[in-house]
Amino acid sequence: DTEVTQTPKHLVMGMTNKKSLKCEQHMGHRAMYWYKQKAKKPPELMFVYSYEKLSINESVPSRFSPECPNSSLLNLHLHALQPEDSALYLCASSQDLVLGETQYFGPGTRLLVL
Amino acid sequence: GEDVEQSLFLSVREGDSSVINCTYTDSSSTYLYWYKQEPGAGLQLLTYIFSNMDMKQDQRLTVLLNKKDKHLSLRIADTQTGDSAIYFCAETPYGNNRLAFGKGNQVVVIP
Repeated sequence: DTEVTQTPKHLVMGMTNKKSLKCEQHMGHRAMYWYKQKAKKPPELMFVYSYEKLSINESVPSRFSPECPNSSLLNLHLHALQPEDSALYLCASSQDLVLGETQYFGPGTRLLVL
Repeated sequence: GEDVEQSLFLSVREGDSSVINCTYTDSSSTYLYWYKQEPGAGLQLLTYIFSNMDMKQDQRLTVLLNKKDKHLSLRIADTQTGDSAIYFCAETPYGNNRLAFGKGNQVVVIP
């Protein structure tokens, strides 16, 4: 099983809403990633968790708050987002952060902020 | 630096071969990857090559690596309509598993 699942598939939210994106994998991977992808652009790394600890934060605004409650789950809490935050949010996982470990991507959550 | 350059658009007839190119600038990258993204979907790893290799073949896919010129290419033989997608190359310039992606190359296969 090399599947990374993400929910919801689509999300529409207002600028005052609070919502959460969820990511799950059951491959025993200990590194998990959040990426943001705008249309026709490559994914941009947001956060990396390694062994359930935040390892990399790419200077992401505090209106995005990641959480790794256990080794299989990764959440992204959203609050007071802006319309320019509308994008495809991709989750990925890999065995760990060691160089060369394949990253497996989920299908993404398409977010629209009104 | 970790800038990865890709050309933007390729149109190819079904059954022909297609070649996608990528130029990277960080010679320390140990692994180089090709990912495929179909419309509305996440990224699917197609193949990768280790930096001490020149070529890797995997069924219809052939990856060529020219380290001297920092040039990576992906050849798809017998291109099919299901190959229509955006293809991203990615490198590992940070010494860990963090990826730097190219801009992507959209491939459209004409039946």
